[in-house]
Amino acid sequence: KAGVTQTPRYLIKTRGQQVTLSCSPISGHRSVSWYQQTPGQGLQFLFEYFSETQRNKGNFPGRFSGRQFSNSRSEMNVSTLELGDSALYLCASSLGALEEKLFFGSGTQLSVL
Amino acid sequence: GENVEQHPSTLSVQEGDSAVIKCTYSDSASNYFPWYKQELGKRPQLIIDIRSNVGEKKDQRIAVTLNKTAKHFSLHITETQPEDSAVYFCAPNSGGYQKVTFGIGTKLQVIP
Repeated sequence: KAGVTQTPRYLIKTRGQQVTLSCSPISGHRSVSWYQQTPGQGLQFLFEYFSETQRNKGNFPGRFSGRQFSNSRSEMNVSTLELGDSALYLCASSLGALEEKLFFGSGTQLSVL
Repeated sequence: GENVEQHPSTLSVQEGDSAVIKCTYSDSASNYFPWYKQELGKRPQLIIDIRSNVGEKKDQRIAVTLNKTAKHFSLHITETQPEDSAVYFCAPNSGGYQKVTFGIGTKLQVIP
């Protein structure tokens, strides 16, 4: 069974630009959640989708958004990039509930210059 | 929201010694208690988890214990090996529509 796939692996953007990250969950998993990982803040929850609906949202500004498609693949978008958005963005999939095991992708390393 | 505290933030042990990491949470509705391991440059991976109806669970050299009354659970690693060196995260949650809050992480260094 293929694992969680995130693309691209690395991204370099400049302030003010926008970026879209992609996450393909494990086949059969319907929940996809996104996290921002930085050295100082650890893993912070962004949002979670289940069957194309956002069920949970973390404490991030509206510049951070996401969506999920009918095949469970998910994308997250960050608009008007700021230097502080530089981080590793991880997605995780699970069968359908947050109290279940999370399977993480390798992440997208975003650098904002 | 859930407040999660993880201690210690760093831990150095000699190879063969034991290591214990503690996670304290605030939400009494939490019923799922996982630990994730993240090696340098790699993705976090679940290493062990426990549900609220169980007090302890073991898997070879690792174990998790839960004290629901005191709202904390701990990761125990015995006979540590260099490959145990990593950052460990706890993530207690109650599922449903609650967002997941991770602990800040514990960097474990096993000295050969």
